Amino acid sequence: NAGVTQTPKFQVLKTGQSMTLQCAQDMNHEYMSWYRQDPGMGLRLIHYSVGAGITDQGEVPNGYNVSRSTTEDFPLRLLSAAPSQTSVYFCASSSNPGTRGDTFFGQGTRLTVV
Amino acid sequence: GQQLNQSPQSMFIQEGEDVSMNCTSSSIFNTWLWYKQDPGEGPVLLIALYKAGELTSNGRLTAQFGTTRKDSFLNISASIPSDVGIYFCAVRLSGTYKYIFGTGTRLKVLA
Repeated sequence: NAGVTQTPKFQVLKTGQSMTLQCAQDMNHEYMSWYRQDPGMGLRLIHYSVGAGITDQGEVPNGYNVSRSTTEDFPLRLLSAAPSQTSVYFCASSSNPGTRGDTFFGQGTRLTVV
Repeated sequence: GQQLNQSPQSMFIQEGEDVSMNCTSSSIFNTWLWYKQDPGEGPVLLIALYKAGELTSNGRLTAQFGTTRKDSFLNISASIPSDVGIYFCAVRLSGTYKYIFGTGTRLKVLA
C-alpha cells in the first residue's frame, strides 16, 4: 500500500554540496517523473523516464541528473546545489500517463539550499 | 515556453456554493488534466479529458475540454470545507510524455 515513496521529506544543503533524492514506487509503473514546485509557478518537469534505462529531459533539467536502472526506482541527483534549487520536489509515477486514477505523486521533498 | 493561465488565482467561497475555474493556453493540446493538491501533499488526479468538447464528471466535480482545444473548465458543485486546496490544470505535449502545469487556483471555503 506504499504507492510512491520519496525520501528524505526535508533536507538542508550548503551551496556546492551534492545529494540524491530518492523515489520508489511499488506499482510496476513504467513512467516516472520528477517535478519541482515553486511558489506561484505550479509544477515544472525536471526529468522523466518511460522505462528502465530510458530517461529524457523536461522543462528545467539543468543542475540535475537522473538514471533508471530498475522499474521501481528513479533517483534525482543534484550535482552542486545552488540556492535557486530551493524548492519542493515531487516524484510521480504512472502506468499510462494522463489516465484517470493511474497517476500518483509522492508526498514531496522540501529542499533548502543555503 | 508554453504556458497555462489559470483563473482565478485564488478564491474564497461560502460552503454550499458552486465554484468555477478555468485554464487557458495559446496553443492547442489534446489532453487536459485537473489535479488537486492538499497542503503538504502531492497533487492527486481528479479528471482527465481527451476529446474536444468532452464533459466529464467525478462526483461533485465536472470538467470540460474546450472545443477550441485551448481551454478547459472545472466546476465544483455545493462546495464543502474539504474542497480547500490548490487546483492545477495540466496538459500533455502531443507526441511526448511531457506535461505542463498551470500556476494553480487556490480555493478557500468558509464554513
